[in-house]
Amino acid sequence: AQTVTQSQPEMSVQEAETVTLSCTYDTSESDYYLFWYKQPPSRQMILVIRQEAYKQQNATENRFSVNFQKAAKSFSLKISDSQLGDAAMYFCALEHVSGYALNFGKGTSLLVTP
Amino acid sequence: DGGITQSPKYLFRKEGQNVTLSCEQNLNHDAMYWYRQDPGQGLRLIYYSQIVNDFQKGDIAEGYSVSREKKESFPLTVTSAQKNPTAFYLCASSTYAGLTEAFFGQGTRLTVV
Repeated sequence: AQTVTQSQPEMSVQEAETVTLSCTYDTSESDYYLFWYKQPPSRQMILVIRQEAYKQQNATENRFSVNFQKAAKSFSLKISDSQLGDAAMYFCALEHVSGYALNFGKGTSLLVTP
Repeated sequence: DGGITQSPKYLFRKEGQNVTLSCEQNLNHDAMYWYRQDPGQGLRLIYYSQIVNDFQKGDIAEGYSVSREKKESFPLTVTSAQKNPTAFYLCASSTYAGLTEAFFGQGTRLTVV
């Protein structure tokens, strides 16, 4: 079984500030991938960042970075220099290398204020 | 441009009727998926298909059916047996399940009237 938990239903950040979204997961397998997806009001799912579990180095994509703690089964997303366009639902997801589909958390709604 | 297309964007269904949601991709992806999204529930897997002519039930398959006759197409039928079909439905595809990121369509909003 695998579960993905996002404990923050809503978060708020001021423009240009930094915010961290939390995600924990539970799995008995050692090989898997972790993802953060963004869903803006258009409802189009957009990949933000991806992390392979076998890599110790945290993934980074421009203003987005993750803190991957494999032993703690934690995968948080840090957004630096927040912009109004970052306002969206953010979903954490896990997929096993031997698996078949993404397993999503319930999402965190991020509000960016001017 | 390559992508994944869902149609229609909005769909209304009377109670007791079956309705089919379309999903087409031209990304040459092997795997395709259907997810259901409800407020506060995240995305839940309905069905997935890793190759043509093969598909598997996901976590909430009851009341739904699919087919995969072509690599490009993975239609979802919401049957009258689905007790609460009003939701947002997302289709996705990936090169191979478990290895690469999934690309999503823009979704279909189904409302039972």
